Amino acid sequence: AQSVTQLGSHVSVSEGALVLLRCNYSSSVPPYLFWYVQYPNQGLQLLLKYTTGATLVKGINGFEAEFKKSETSFHLTKPSAHMSDAAEYFCAVSEINSSASKIIFGSGTRLSIRP
Amino acid sequence: GAGVSQSPRYKVAKRGQDVALRCDPISGHVSLFWYQQALGQGPEFLTYFQNEAQLDKSGLPSDRFFAERPEGSVSTLKIQRTQQEDSAVYLCASSPGSNYGYTFGSGTRLTVV
Repeated sequence: AQSVTQLGSHVSVSEGALVLLRCNYSSSVPPYLFWYVQYPNQGLQLLLKYTTGATLVKGINGFEAEFKKSETSFHLTKPSAHMSDAAEYFCAVSEINSSASKIIFGSGTRLSIRP
Repeated sequence: GAGVSQSPRYKVAKRGQDVALRCDPISGHVSLFWYQQALGQGPEFLTYFQNEAQLDKSGLPSDRFFAERPEGSVSTLKIQRTQQEDSAVYLCASSPGSNYGYTFGSGTRLTVV
């Protein structure tokens, strides 16, 4: 069974600082991996996804994530935080080649940006 | 429309009342998912449709929860005899197919009083 662990329910960084949100996954088959962002009272928006190929994935709003199979990790980074990045971030995993696949979400990390 | 549309946006139900939540997916998306998101938690999978077929309903918490998608487009999530623990945001998502990543609607916030 798949699962996702997000380390740190709340991360606070200064504006302009590096953002690092940690995600580890468990999957019995090669996974597809996702990061979603959720702003207050809104649905989830896809930031980026890893399926196959290049392990460094670039997404919207300057975010990127690297798939590291040996570490079963898919950490999300952004070189310089903006105030508008304050939101809830969810890491998620889905199994490849599953005829009835579903995406399993982590419990989320709330990102706060200090002026 | 361009996105996934859910209605109503907010619903307050008295305990014991039945509710129906609607999801209009993106046109042509064959996959449709329902998730339940409790306050401060990540979304929890409820059920999945491929066209009109309900392929996975393993996440439905009880037999009070029922979902349908009779013509393979609009879907309805029905909760019978609502309980306080049903209070949550119910999210619908659609996808062109498996593993493409979903497009989510804004959700329906259900409050059972």
